[in-house]
Amino acid sequence: DAGVTQSPTHLIKTRGQHVTLRCSPISGHKSVSWYQQVLGQGPQFIFQYYEKEERGRGNFPDRFSARQFPNYSSELNVNALLLGDSALYLCASSPEMGGYTFGSGTRLTVV
Amino acid sequence: ILNVEQSPQSLHVQEGDSTNFTCSFPSSNFYALHWYRWETAKSPEALFVMTLNGDEKKKGRISATLNTKEGYSYLYIKGSQPEDSATYLCAPDVYSGGGADGLTFGKGTHLIIQP
Repeated sequence: DAGVTQSPTHLIKTRGQHVTLRCSPISGHKSVSWYQQVLGQGPQFIFQYYEKEERGRGNFPDRFSARQFPNYSSELNVNALLLGDSALYLCASSPEMGGYTFGSGTRLTVV
Repeated sequence: ILNVEQSPQSLHVQEGDSTNFTCSFPSSNFYALHWYRWETAKSPEALFVMTLNGDEKKKGRISATLNTKEGYSYLYIKGSQPEDSATYLCAPDVYSGGGADGLTFGKGTHLIIQP
């Protein structure tokens, strides 16, 4: 059974550009969460979606947005990229209550 | 924003030795505590989800205890092996006002097992 899959695995973008990261949850999981991890820190919560609706949002600017599709896959979008957005972006899927399973992440480098 | 502290930040242990490290978190509105093991270039792997005060969980040579009243959890590794080398993350899950606040992770304990 496939785990949480994220694409792409690595990405290089220029300041000011836009980026879209994708996540496919484990089959049967209806909730997807996004986290940002910068070097030396633990992952920081960005968004949680459940049944295609936003359930929670972390302390991130409006440049960050996300959505969840009818098949429960999700996209994270970041506009007007800054150098500080360089990080590993992790997606986690879960059934309705807890039990988060993480993907291996997308490494975003902004130059 | 929750204050989650993990100590030590890094740890070098001889193969075969046992070790332990700590996760401290605010005890108010506690719902669950998650422990993850994260090896380089892999995805974080769930070790334990703990909810009850006094709970103790075990997975092979790894075990964890939970004290929700004072807000701490210990992770123990018995007879460390090189494959235990990883960063160990803890994350409390709390009741929020109807929304989802996600997990708040500590910075992790980076464990290196020396042969």
